Amino acid sequence: EVQLVQSGAEVKKPGESLKISCKGSGYSFTSHWIAWVRQMPGKGLEWMGIIYPGDSDTRYSPSFQGQVTISADKSISTAYLQWSSLKASDTAMYYCARRGQNVAYSLDYWGQGTLVTVSS
Amino acid sequence: DIQMTQSPSSLSASVGDRVTITCRASQSISRSLNWYQQKPGKAPKLLIYAASSLQSGVPSRFSGGASGTDFTLTISSLQPEDFATYYCQQSYSTLGTFGQGTKVEIK
Repeated sequence: EVQLVQSGAEVKKPGESLKISCKGSGYSFTSHWIAWVRQMPGKGLEWMGIIYPGDSDTRYSPSFQGQVTISADKSISTAYLQWSSLKASDTAMYYCARRGQNVAYSLDYWGQGTLVTVSS
Repeated sequence: DIQMTQSPSSLSASVGDRVTITCRASQSISRSLNWYQQKPGKAPKLLIYAASSLQSGVPSRFSGGASGTDFTLTISSLQPEDFATYYCQQSYSTLGTFGQGTKVEIK
């Protein structure tokens, strides 16, 4: 069974750093891109970026370039999303999702989400 | 960037109604269009991929269509469990983009 399991909720202060994780199982982790998606409170889905764990090829949406870092450790089938200095506006739910290999490369499996709260 | 414009942003409908949501791409994306359903407090769920292919396990009352850069999601007979927010997403480029979402509410 394909599963993506994300790390737990975080409460941080502005200026702090953070790294959240997404562990894949039940499939070949190195053969599928993993995307990160942000959902701010009461808002829609935003594509942040994507990584291919096989070779760590990473792409960022323009709005998120330089704001976050996406990485992966294929030895433990885990992808990461990290911030070096959080802002209150980073408060959101963050999802990881697997890019499938059907003809449209849709996001076919999703993690349960990690809620990040940034408040002084 | 490829922009996805989804409409309406919300709609009210009754159980049994036929509902159609539209998504327009800012450029040609072939049939690289997916639809997701999201219920409150839950992760999104893939409904339709490649514009009109039903994901395994999704009820047949859901269907997708395409004409040029215009795409539709249709629910033929709305059921109580279908009240949710629906998003389109283009996967033509590696950096996929989502539509703004359509919230389907009970009339």
